[in-house]
Amino acid sequence: GENVEQHPSTLSVQEGDSAVIKCTYSDSASNYFPWYKQELGKGPQLIIDIRSNVGEKKDQRIAVTLNKTAKHFSLHITETQPEDSAVYFCARGTSYGKLTFGQGTILTVHP
Amino acid sequence: DAGVIQSPRHEVTEMGQEVTLRCKPISGHNSLFWYRQTMMRGLELLIYFNNNVPIDDSGMPEDRFSAKMPNASFSTLKIQPSEPRDSAVYFCASSLDGRQEETQYFGPGTRLLVL
Repeated sequence: GENVEQHPSTLSVQEGDSAVIKCTYSDSASNYFPWYKQELGKGPQLIIDIRSNVGEKKDQRIAVTLNKTAKHFSLHITETQPEDSAVYFCARGTSYGKLTFGQGTILTVHP
Repeated sequence: DAGVIQSPRHEVTEMGQEVTLRCKPISGHNSLFWYRQTMMRGLELLIYFNNNVPIDDSGMPEDRFSAKMPNASFSTLKIQPSEPRDSAVYFCASSLDGRQEETQYFGPGTRLLVL
């Protein structure tokens, strides 16, 4: 159906380590997969997105991979910093731009 | 650009009262989305407007909720009468044309507490 499953729900890492968050979906019609970062007291902000014709996309310390056959996509953050601490949401896009969000991952980066 | 503007930022009201949340989308954006965020249900789409017309309101919980977009720069989400279970953070987001691959820009949200 429409749901997006996101794991883990919480992730704690040491500064400088990598963090990986994974999402799975079941609707094969989805072609757009954005990731949002939400800091405390703020609205979600897009950090990276990927389209179904691409397997991987990178932007500095952030990368996203997509496996359309297996219907899963992942966010990779390398060299984590304390300011990366936030809630991260994956989402999938549908025909008119509706986004269905995962449940979120609380990432804590310890100095 | 100021981004998506929402008001009020915080609202505390008593059960049974009417609540009106307001949103100003980014200038030039033709699509507007209202979301609700709770711990239990996460981020849920309530209603989507394109060119001021409601396109999909299947996420609106019940008849107590209504949304309007009288012009391209203003939208309201109204709850009447409010109930404690409506307590949540309500976000407004806008995008250029509402296509699948467009970025949605979120406002800061309105934190609603119904006592």
